[in-house]
Amino acid sequence: QKEVEQNSGPLSVPEGAIASLNCTYSDRGSQSFFWYRQYSGKSPELIMSIYSNGDKEDGRFTAQLNKASQYVSLLIRDSQPSDSATYLCAANQAGTALIFGKGTTLSVSS
Amino acid sequence: DTEVTQTPKHLVMGMTNKKSLKCEQHMGHRAMYWYKQKAKKPPELMFVYSYEKLSINESVPSRFSPECPNSSLLNLHLHALQPEDSALYLCASSQYRWGGDNEQFFGPGTRLTVL
Repeated sequence: QKEVEQNSGPLSVPEGAIASLNCTYSDRGSQSFFWYRQYSGKSPELIMSIYSNGDKEDGRFTAQLNKASQYVSLLIRDSQPSDSATYLCAANQAGTALIFGKGTTLSVSS
Repeated sequence: DTEVTQTPKHLVMGMTNKKSLKCEQHMGHRAMYWYKQKAKKPPELMFVYSYEKLSINESVPSRFSPECPNSSLLNLHLHALQPEDSALYLCASSQYRWGGDNEQFFGPGTRLTVL
């Protein structure tokens, strides 16, 4: 059974802090990893993708991938109240569907 | 343009009705997907079309019938649904290639209520 595991949270951080979200996956054949942000009642929005070991930075977001440990993380620097949402970690092999974790709820307090 | 559109935004239907959900993308993607999402749960895969052919059907009941008329369009035909089918129905699209650059982009979804 291919699985992606996330802590459901809620994860609470103060405004301006670093939020750290973590994810592990069971299928070593997974090649691509994604972080989606989903606001209540809205559809998932892709915020980061990562394919190679190491870090990938985009603005306030940094994704980290460690294939040996089967671990993916997302760091959000200078967290803002608008970052409050559910963050979905997902993995896939090319051409197949995404395997989602259950999501981590992030709450950023002002 | 990373946009996937879906119509309608909201749909209320009775258990004897027949309705269709529509999805369109103009990104040249060759894989399209239907997901179902219940409240406080992750999206759950229903169907995958690759190069306009059905490649994955996740044991979805026959009251859901997908159709891919061309590489840009994806439909989901609904018939004799049950109240437990009420959910957010999401369409997504992606490239179909190995090793990377196969990001899936989601449409805004159709909120379906079955009475």
